[in-house]
Amino acid sequence: DAGVIQSPRHEVTEMGQEVTLRCKPISGHDYLFWYRQTMMRGLELLIYFNNNVPIDDSGMPEDRFSAKMPNASFSTLKIQPSEPRDSAVYFCASSQGRESSYNSPLHFGNGTRLTVT
Amino acid sequence: GQNIDQPTEMTATEGAIVQINCTYQTSGFNGLFWYQQHAGEAPTFLSYNVLDGLEEKGRFSSFLSRSKGYSYLLLKELQMKDSASYLCAVVDSNYQLIWGAGTKLIIKP
Repeated sequence: DAGVIQSPRHEVTEMGQEVTLRCKPISGHDYLFWYRQTMMRGLELLIYFNNNVPIDDSGMPEDRFSAKMPNASFSTLKIQPSEPRDSAVYFCASSQGRESSYNSPLHFGNGTRLTVT
Repeated sequence: GQNIDQPTEMTATEGAIVQINCTYQTSGFNGLFWYQQHAGEAPTFLSYNVLDGLEEKGRFSSFLSRSKGYSYLLLKELQMKDSASYLCAVVDSNYQLIWGAGTKLIIKP
């Protein structure tokens, strides 16, 4: 199993530009999560999907952020327009079930390090 | 509010034992996870506790006391590769995962 695959690994962009982050979850996992990690705020859940349906997007900072999951093997997180304060590492993670089961820890991708100048 | 406390940083010596503590105050409890995160990498799953007591897995053990809102991760026979951040995360009554800020563990030769 290739694990959760994210692209790109690094993204440097200028303020105001659109940024699209991509994620391929582990096959058979029915939950997909987007997290953001910074030194100041640690790991923050942005949104999660169950069977491709967004369940909770309360962590999405503002309307500039949007996420989609058109099918079971692909998800995107888009920031438009980007701002310097969006600079962070964005992780995608998948799991087989709710986090409460020992069988379903989160499997994280390698993350996208976003720098907005 | 919901809160998870871990020490920010700890230092230990190669070959020794270290205990990383985690205390939590959450709305309900449905389990506690420990993850390891090396610098520049993704978090990886270490352990899960939902019942009181000690769970041993090789050099790593995790303990839980639900009545005290307390857990610890015990690392034995420390190796240089154990230098990483260790994240404590609690599943609350709504099955949301609440993350601690992590403990950076530095191993010295």
